[in-house]
Amino acid sequence: DAKTTQPPSMDCAEGRAANLPCNHSTISGNEYVYWYRQIHSQGPQYIIHGLKNNETNEMASLIITEDRKSSTLILPHATLRDTAVYYCIVEKGGATNKLIFGTGTLLAVQP
Amino acid sequence: GAVVSQHPSWVICKSGTSVKIECRSLDFQATTMFWYRQFPKQSLMLMATSNEGSKATYEQGVEKDKFLINHASLTLSTLTVTSAHPEDSSFYICSARGLIPITDTQYFGPGTRLTVL
Repeated sequence: DAKTTQPPSMDCAEGRAANLPCNHSTISGNEYVYWYRQIHSQGPQYIIHGLKNNETNEMASLIITEDRKSSTLILPHATLRDTAVYYCIVEKGGATNKLIFGTGTLLAVQP
Repeated sequence: GAVVSQHPSWVICKSGTSVKIECRSLDFQATTMFWYRQFPKQSLMLMATSNEGSKATYEQGVEKDKFLINHASLTLSTLTVTSAHPEDSSFYICSARGLIPITDTQYFGPGTRLTVL
């Protein structure tokens, strides 16, 4: 599975958009980009995933560059409850495929 | 989204005892579940892949005789920490992807905090 690079930490003001970048320059054509987050002392929570096209759901938007070497997770209106570690993971998908977590980005939403 | 539960949510035990942690998929079936361990201020580390009806596959450096995994059915996997010691104190998390119905995403349990005295 491809490796990802994320900044270790970011700050965001409450109510503003949070843009979390992820580099995955060695991604393969059949690998998806997944985003999970982990709020302190809880299990990771699925946010969104995509292959090539930009994706949006009720939680966030995922923007993938045309060459697929990087992506950005956008939380449109961050709240204090969005403070968490955000993990960007690339993998092939499938029921038996394991997720390998990197160090992620600690997003601190400030009041 | 799909729900994965873990029991217990926390456990304290004496050194030398064994502890069993259950992981259940509540509204889907999964032939494969995964077990992770997380130490304070660190990322999740994959320990093993639990396969229904067959032996688990352990990641390099994980002692299979210490961390016994049983995937008894399509909705239940158990992790037993045998002869636990203080260094086994950690946050243990399981996850699963749906096979029936099939899902693209992997869902995680809430985690079990193990403290070994």
